[in-house]
Parts: sequence; C-alpha cells; structure tokens
Amino acid sequence: SYVLTQPPSVSVAPGETAMITCGGNNIGSKIVHWYQQKPGQAPVQVIHYDTVRPSGIPERFSGSNSGNTATLSISRVEAGDEADYYCQVWDSSGDLYVVFGGGTKVTVL
Amino acid sequence: QVQLQESGPGLVKPSQTLSLTCTVSGGSVSSRSYYWSWIRQHPGRGLEWIGYIYYSGSTYYNPSLKSRVMISLDTSKNQFSLNLSSVTAADTAVYYCARDAQAAAGIEYWGQGTLVTVSA
Repeated sequence: SYVLTQPPSVSVAPGETAMITCGGNNIGSKIVHWYQQKPGQAPVQVIHYDTVRPSGIPERFSGSNSGNTATLSISRVEAGDEADYYCQVWDSSGDLYVVFGGGTKVTVL
Repeated sequence: QVQLQESGPGLVKPSQTLSLTCTVSGGSVSSRSYYWSWIRQHPGRGLEWIGYIYYSGSTYYNPSLKSRVMISLDTSKNQFSLNLSSVTAADTAVYYCARDAQAAAGIEYWGQGTLVTVSA
C-alpha cells in the first residue's frame, strides 16, 4: 500500500516560516490534503486539493505538491500554530484507500 | 453547518464487539458526494483509517482490520455505524467519524471523537 513519510518534528521561531514535508512515491500525481490537530481535539482540515484553503483558515497556511514531496508551509508562525500536522491522500490504486502520513509535531520556540 | 457526533460505550471487554454510531446533522448520509468514514487514533499516535461507506451501501475497509470490521448505514436516522469484533487492548483508541469528499476536498468534517477503552 501507499506510504506517506513525514518528519516527526519541526521547530520554528515565532514569525518565521514552518515547512512540513510529506514524501511519497510520485505524490505529485496524487491530491494531498492536510490537517491540523491540537491536543485533545479532532483534526481540522487546513489545506485540501494540494493548495486550497478551506473557509476560515488563515492565508498564512499554504500547500504545494510536486514530484515525490508535498509541502505544507505556515508563514509568520504564531504560538497558536503549535500542533500535530498530518498529510493525507486518497489512493484508489491500492487496497488502502485513505492514507495518512505519520504526523509532524510543530513546536513554536 | 454539518456536524457529526459519535456515541457508544466507552468501555468494552476483550473479545467483545465494539459498536459506535455517528449521527449526522446538517447533511444527509444519502448524499452521493461523500463517503462516511471511521478513523481512529491510538493514544499518543497518528491517525488510522478504519473504513468508509457510500450512500449505496458499498463499503471499503483498511485491509489490516477488514476481517473484524463492519460499517453500516441507517438513512432513516441519518446515521452510520461501526462494529469492530474480537477487540483487544490494541483497539483502545479515540474513534472519530467523519465525512470524506475524497480527492475533491478530503475530510472536511470530523466528529469530536470518542475514547473507547478495551479492558476487563
């Protein structure tokens, strides 16, 4: 089945840009969604269809997807952005239709 | 605004069947645009897709759980349900129901999640 690889953790200073990668074989040919999860809460979608921000998500969140890597970028990082972030694809070619990355913990220094 | 709410026992004994129901409001489980999903998260771990059901009743399951999982739909109550049989402590997790628009928009709506503990 398809595998998505994320770094376990990313640390960033307030005001800087956090970049969270999601690696997968030819992931650029797939559509990637991203979710933010804060402790004790359900995940919230922050990017869908590679680059689209759902209503209510700040413009500071952006996504890209090409080759073997998709990236979620958070610009002008704030303390409230500290959370776990998961990438996800829908894979109709295998038998595991919904695939999540392992998650990345973003720590704001 | 679409809302999903999980309900069911918070404690299940080993070897028994875990049963949860998700009640949907603000949208219909009969919609052809969405798949109705169950996703779980073991304590301190990442997200694991369990499976989903389409309005037609077609189901798709995680191969690692397929032999023990059944997801069903009750359109009259606008609900969908999860049954996971022969549970062990390894099934202790927070269980989420969610609405999945697949490639078009991903998982837009999630329930708040419910912790199910498997213990004697």
